[in-house]
Amino acid sequence: ETGVTQTPRHLVMGMTNKKSLKCEQHLGHNAMYWYKQSAKKPLELMFVYSLEERVENNSVPSRFSPECPNSSHLFLHLHTLQPEDSALYLCASSQSYRVTGNTIYFGEGSWLTVV
Amino acid sequence: GENVEQHPSTLSVQEGDSAVIKCTYSDSASNYFPWYKQELGKRPQLIIDIRSNVGEKKDQRIAVTLNKTAKHFSLHITETQPEDSAVYFCAASITDSSYKLIFGSGTRLLVRP
Repeated sequence: ETGVTQTPRHLVMGMTNKKSLKCEQHLGHNAMYWYKQSAKKPLELMFVYSLEERVENNSVPSRFSPECPNSSHLFLHLHTLQPEDSALYLCASSQSYRVTGNTIYFGEGSWLTVV
Repeated sequence: GENVEQHPSTLSVQEGDSAVIKCTYSDSASNYFPWYKQELGKRPQLIIDIRSNVGEKKDQRIAVTLNKTAKHFSLHITETQPEDSAVYFCAASITDSSYKLIFGSGTRLLVRP
């Protein structure tokens, strides 16, 4: 089992649908993240959780709703998305949420297409 | 806001040649600079990082240099191989947040056999 696993790998949803992305880390880390990766744009940090407590909500629209039930699992609940939300959503984890010197381990991502 | 500029956006080199990717950052107090490699369809993975108290760091064919005065840092890959083909992202920490990295927009490196 690899360090950070995400499901589903691909998701197509309509603008009125409700879906969720799931992430699980097997590294014993204390921090988990959601990043958005769009074509030709820098990776954008969306949410940070440290020991199940949200540390950062980086001005993300409320149609994205994170949930962290424990330090190993992270969800991203999606509802009433827009076509411009289509992107690769990367989950990640690190030993600590303090970035300096702490390697961030990424999952392989969930490709989201909003139609 | 803080940002990281990365150049070039695409880079094509002959196998065996060197490749250099450059990044500039805006936050003069940034103190941590990682580089990530993302192969096609794969996850980004850390390949090397450097802290602000060091000017250069090397790991086999990969090296990173940091110029704090000019606020830029570079990734150097020597003796490139086809498996080096990937998108490379630089990043910099920012001082108003201990948990945030600002990423560059990526460089697509193609190593021609």
